Amino acid sequence: GAVVSQHPSWVICKSGTSVKIECRSLDFQATTMFWYRQFPKQSLMLMATSNEGSKATYEQGVEKDKFLINHASLTLSTLTVTSAHPEDSSFYICSATPPGASENYEQYFGPGTRLTVT
Amino acid sequence: GQNIDQPTEMTATEGAIVQINCTYQTSGFNGLFWYQQHAGEAPTFLSYNVLDGLEEKGRFSSFLSRSKGYSYLLLKELQMKDSASYLCAPMDSNYQLIWGAGTKLIIKP
Repeated sequence: GAVVSQHPSWVICKSGTSVKIECRSLDFQATTMFWYRQFPKQSLMLMATSNEGSKATYEQGVEKDKFLINHASLTLSTLTVTSAHPEDSSFYICSATPPGASENYEQYFGPGTRLTVT
Repeated sequence: GQNIDQPTEMTATEGAIVQINCTYQTSGFNGLFWYQQHAGEAPTFLSYNVLDGLEEKGRFSSFLSRSKGYSYLLLKELQMKDSASYLCAPMDSNYQLIWGAGTKLIIKP
């Protein structure tokens, strides 16, 4: 149980275009999902906390107009990178916490999406 | 500020035991997680400690001392597949995970 999927697993796009990444909780409902970004050999960086039915909470330094997050249902959150640039190339990972998890607040991670902007 | 300190890289031999240490400073504390991350993949959950002491789970054990702001992950009977990065992530008073860069563990035959 507690499986989180992401789509696509990798994407290459041209500079200036937008890319949408989906994060789904397959066997549980997630009122809260998290979006992370990770550059090579660096730590996970929390970008935003996505709450179902309300606006996402962005971390300091993360442009909310550039990284659009929508959490329209209890099983789906999307991250849209708008007007992508090469510096946005990174590994984007989502996670979710199942309700009533035995390990309090344990986050289950999706497999990640590798974005390359050319 | 909030800070995580782990060794950048460690090397161990297949079949041996290795201990990965982590010291942390957070605003409040709601437990500490250890995650394993293979290169190019997302992290996977290993353990969670909220009380002082040792939690054993198969080949992996995790220890916590809240007063010292210290935790370690102990891996026994190392296998080649254990080559990965190990992330120590304490949870602060807002229930937010604080991530360090992790420890890259290299297992040699």
